[in-house]
Amino acid sequence: SQQGEEDPQALSIQEGENATMNCSYKTSINNLQWYRQNSGRGLVHLILIRSNEREKHSGRLRVTLDTSKKSSSLLITASRAADTASYFCATDANNYGQNFVFGPGTRLSVLP
Amino acid sequence: KAGVTQTPRYLIKTRGQQVTLSCSPISGHRSVSWYQQTPGQGLQFLFEYFSETQRNKGNFPGRFSGRQFSNSRSEMNVSTLELGDSALYLCASRGGNGEKLFFGSGTQLSVL
Repeated sequence: SQQGEEDPQALSIQEGENATMNCSYKTSINNLQWYRQNSGRGLVHLILIRSNEREKHSGRLRVTLDTSKKSSSLLITASRAADTASYFCATDANNYGQNFVFGPGTRLSVLP
Repeated sequence: KAGVTQTPRYLIKTRGQQVTLSCSPISGHRSVSWYQQTPGQGLQFLFEYFSETQRNKGNFPGRFSGRQFSNSRSEMNVSTLELGDSALYLCASRGGNGEKLFFGSGTQLSVL
């Protein structure tokens, strides 16, 4: 089974609204990362949060990590149509980054 | 620096054929990983190469193989293609402390 599981599977919001996506995982991790994928293209790294961190910000992105619940959330504030993409969480499964396991992703649609 | 380059971008093959995909990592990156992405299974790890050695392998049949050259370029080969091999194949490289993956745009393989 996959290490990471995002929810919701799909999310549709209006421009200017905030979007929140969640990720759950099963085993201990060193870090958790979020990636973005535009349709049919490669993934782009967004942000990394380490297991000893609880919150991290990057521009309009805010990531939280709760290791006791084995979950993370990605918040995109003031969304734009250009944020329309799929978002994936990835964990290193505590094996020092030799292998990353991706969740199934959340498909975000931001309507103008 | 140039990004990760994957060729070809699109490929159409028939069942039973074999295919070779190519990936050139970011200059200086010695690790190259391959992922298969399908709508049903999401992103599945195939294998990782580091300095010409396979360092990690996912749960795929032996029809899927790869190699890495001394210049870190990597190829993956799929023999005896099946319809279920139709997917987006993504290559990712990393360097330095290896925490982030840098993806290519992928090769979209269609097996007819």
